[in-house]
Amino acid sequence: DAGVIQSPRHEVTEMGQEVTLRCKPISGHNSLFWYRQTMMRGLELLIYFNNNVPIDDSGMPEDRFSAKMPNASFSTLKIQPSEPRDSAVYFCASSFRASAYEQYFGPGTRLTVT
Amino acid sequence: AQKITQTQPGMFVQEKEAVTLDCTYDTSDPSYGLFWYKQPSSGEMIFLIYQGSYDQQNATEGRYSLNFQKARKSANLVISASQLGDSAMYFCAMREGPWNSGGSNYKLTFGKGTLLTVNP
Repeated sequence: DAGVIQSPRHEVTEMGQEVTLRCKPISGHNSLFWYRQTMMRGLELLIYFNNNVPIDDSGMPEDRFSAKMPNASFSTLKIQPSEPRDSAVYFCASSFRASAYEQYFGPGTRLTVT
Repeated sequence: AQKITQTQPGMFVQEKEAVTLDCTYDTSDPSYGLFWYKQPSSGEMIFLIYQGSYDQQNATEGRYSLNFQKARKSANLVISASQLGDSAMYFCAMREGPWNSGGSNYKLTFGKGTLLTVNP
């Protein structure tokens, strides 16, 4: 089975532009997580979904960030408008029945906002 | 206070030797889970090992073992017989509270990581 799929792998955009990151979780997994990794703050959970429903979005930095999961096989993380401080690696992860033992991470999207 | 503390920013080990990566945690919840992830230079996060707070024995997975000292709130990762491919960042993480099927409690808090370099 394919792992978690993220696209794009790299994104370079200018400040003020809208950015959409995409994630396809592992088939059969019903929990999905979005993380952000920076040198300064390490790995932070932004939001997670269980059965397509957002459970905790307390990690979303501000209103410029939004996430959706319209169905069990697809999620998006949108930043509008983007700012240079949003530059980071964004990971999507999925698990079966929410955190059992492990979360399976995607390869990440490296976002650079100039 | 930090939930997860990894005090070693970097570690070096000779190939074929064992190495211990430190992790201490802070929680008042009696039920929690501890995880170790590996992040090679390619960037992906790879799950290595899990220890539940009520597990009686230390977790082991191949060359990885977790030295769980509950009273000291430490969950050190031991890698035996290091290989060059073990060179990577290693993250300790914690989930507080019991896992439940309702999915309401599974936030992972990660430490800052330890960069392990295995020398030939």
